[in-house]
Amino acid sequence: AQSVTQLDSQVPVFEEAPVELRCNYSSSVSVYLFWYVQYPNQGLQLLLKYLSGSTLVESINGFEAEFNKSQTSFHLRKPSVHISDTAEYFCAVREDQTGANNLFFGTGTRLTVIP
Amino acid sequence: NAGVTQTPKFRILKIGQSMTLQCTQDMNHNYMYWYRQDPGMGLKLIYYSVGAGITDKGEVPNGYNVSRSTTEDFPLRLELAAPSQTSVYFCASSPGTGYQPQHFGDGTRLSIL
Repeated sequence: AQSVTQLDSQVPVFEEAPVELRCNYSSSVSVYLFWYVQYPNQGLQLLLKYLSGSTLVESINGFEAEFNKSQTSFHLRKPSVHISDTAEYFCAVREDQTGANNLFFGTGTRLTVIP
Repeated sequence: NAGVTQTPKFRILKIGQSMTLQCTQDMNHNYMYWYRQDPGMGLKLIYYSVGAGITDKGEVPNGYNVSRSTTEDFPLRLELAAPSQTSVYFCASSPGTGYQPQHFGDGTRLSIL
């Protein structure tokens, strides 16, 4: 069975500092990986996704995530955070097999950027 | 584009009451989903649908019902509201499964008192 672990429930970081939000998953088959961001009182928005090919994927707002198959990880990073990055971030996994309709979410990491 | 629209945004129910959470999407997506989000628990799938007339249970379906009579609409029904159903409910849609990401509505915040 799939599972997604986000070890850090809260991450405070100063503005312009780098940040890493960790995500590990378990699955016996190939997977698709996603990071979603949720701003207060809003739904989840797709930040980036890994489907295949290059293990490093980037978003338009400076975030990047690296797929590491051997460590079953998909950590999210940003070299310099802004106040506007304050939000909750969710890692999600779906198995690459027929009938795998479910998207499994981690419990989320609340990123707070401190001025 | 409106995307995924959920109504109402907020609702307070008494124990034992019933209500329907509405969800509609204008992207002609075949797949639709209902999640609940509880603090520190992430999102849990309640029900999903792969097309009009087809629904299936997710991880936490007890106490809920769904129907999918059209591609656009996927209402979630609570028949006998219980305090354990206090949560934020999100509807989502996607054009397919696999690598296709899901598009989320803004949620319905429901309190059962």
